[in-house]
Amino acid sequence: SQKIEQNSEALNIQEGKTATLTCNYTNYSPAYLQWYRQDPGRGPVFLLLIRENEKEKRKERLKVTFDTTLKQSLFHITASQPADSATYLCALDTGNAGNMLTFGGGTRLMVKP
Amino acid sequence: GAVVSQHPSWVICKSGTSVKIECRSLDFQATTMFWYRQFPKQSLMLMATSNEGSKATYEQGVEKDKFLINHASLTLSTLTVTSAHPEDSSFYICSAKKGGAGNTIYFGEGSWLTVV
Repeated sequence: SQKIEQNSEALNIQEGKTATLTCNYTNYSPAYLQWYRQDPGRGPVFLLLIRENEKEKRKERLKVTFDTTLKQSLFHITASQPADSATYLCALDTGNAGNMLTFGGGTRLMVKP
Repeated sequence: GAVVSQHPSWVICKSGTSVKIECRSLDFQATTMFWYRQFPKQSLMLMATSNEGSKATYEQGVEKDKFLINHASLTLSTLTVTSAHPEDSSFYICSAKKGGAGNTIYFGEGSWLTVV
């Protein structure tokens, strides 16, 4: 069956360190993978999109990798700040027009000062 | 970036009544909009895909007659929860797809529904 797995346990790190979140998937062939941030009681906010032919994408302190062989994406936040504390969701898009995103369960990140 | 607006942000209604939630794409046309439901500490669950000018496509287990979706224009989709019950209390989020395949999906801020 198709699965998107993110670590359901909260990730606690110290301010200034690099946070690394994992998204693993099975029985999907996504053309795109996206990462979103969600704060409590708010809608998700788009962060980054990476295509299947891209291995890495960067945006400011954010870096995403996409390994279609391992069926895994890693999401890194460097020089983390308490304001980065939120739930981070990965989502797969198989690339067909009109296809919805399928979301992982999200990982809650807590950055301590 | 693109903006998607939901209204109302919070709504409390009595059991048995109906409540409508609006989702608007403010600065782009969205041929496809999506409605999600999210329970506390859980991920987003897709309820239905709404295409402008046609009937919505509902996910398995979602009652079409209970959750009425209308996508009358390229900037507006509505979700009406009919004959609401306390178990319908949840966080409802819409999203809109800006273009064709691979384009980013933008989310509304969500609507909290409490049925008493």
